[in-house]
Amino acid sequence: DGGITQSPKYLFRKEGQNVTLSCEQNLNHDAMYWYRQDPGQGLRLIYYSQIVNDFQKGDIAEGYSVSREKKESFPLTVTSAQKNPTAFYLCASRDRPNTEAFFGQGTRLTVV
Amino acid sequence: KNEVEQSPQNLTAQEGEFITINCSYSVGISALHWLQQHPGGGIVSLFMLSSGKKKHGRLIATINIQEKHSSLHITASHPRDSAVYICAVGMYGGSQGNLIFGKGTKLSVKP
Repeated sequence: DGGITQSPKYLFRKEGQNVTLSCEQNLNHDAMYWYRQDPGQGLRLIYYSQIVNDFQKGDIAEGYSVSREKKESFPLTVTSAQKNPTAFYLCASRDRPNTEAFFGQGTRLTVV
Repeated sequence: KNEVEQSPQNLTAQEGEFITINCSYSVGISALHWLQQHPGGGIVSLFMLSSGKKKHGRLIATINIQEKHSSLHITASHPRDSAVYICAVGMYGGSQGNLIFGKGTKLSVKP
């Protein structure tokens, strides 16, 4: 079955450490997105990518970095520069604009 | 910038009740999505629509483009419908197909 896989489901990180969240899709979608979800707020866009080796900043990109070396993979690194990294992170993909969006199960990151 | 407002924020219903969740947005859109988020956090797409009405099982979604308003209806609600329902809109010329999300409506259906 096609879908999006995020790992790990739960992640704990010490302050000052970088951590990488995995997102893999086997839907052959060109576009992939990373969102952050905080309690009481809508999902906010961190980064997106329309094609391999290309990506763009979203609304809240500071303190995050991404890569898109393969079509199926779009990992997100939460760096020590991100001031408030504890949140729920969701990865999504779409074939092209105005098509259905597919989401992963999310990764809950806690900084301790 | 598009503002997406959902109402109500929280909704408690008895099993079997008819439920309506509303979504309003401020500027023209290319499509509107209804999503379901279960307590574990994963999100499932329920509907994508740009006009009219769609039905899937006990779920019905409608959209009024002129009034910039959409509703999600659940008929014969069941405790397994308990989840957060999120409205999201796609904009013409937006960031490569990015969606703007509402804050969600938390539905709890009691047996």
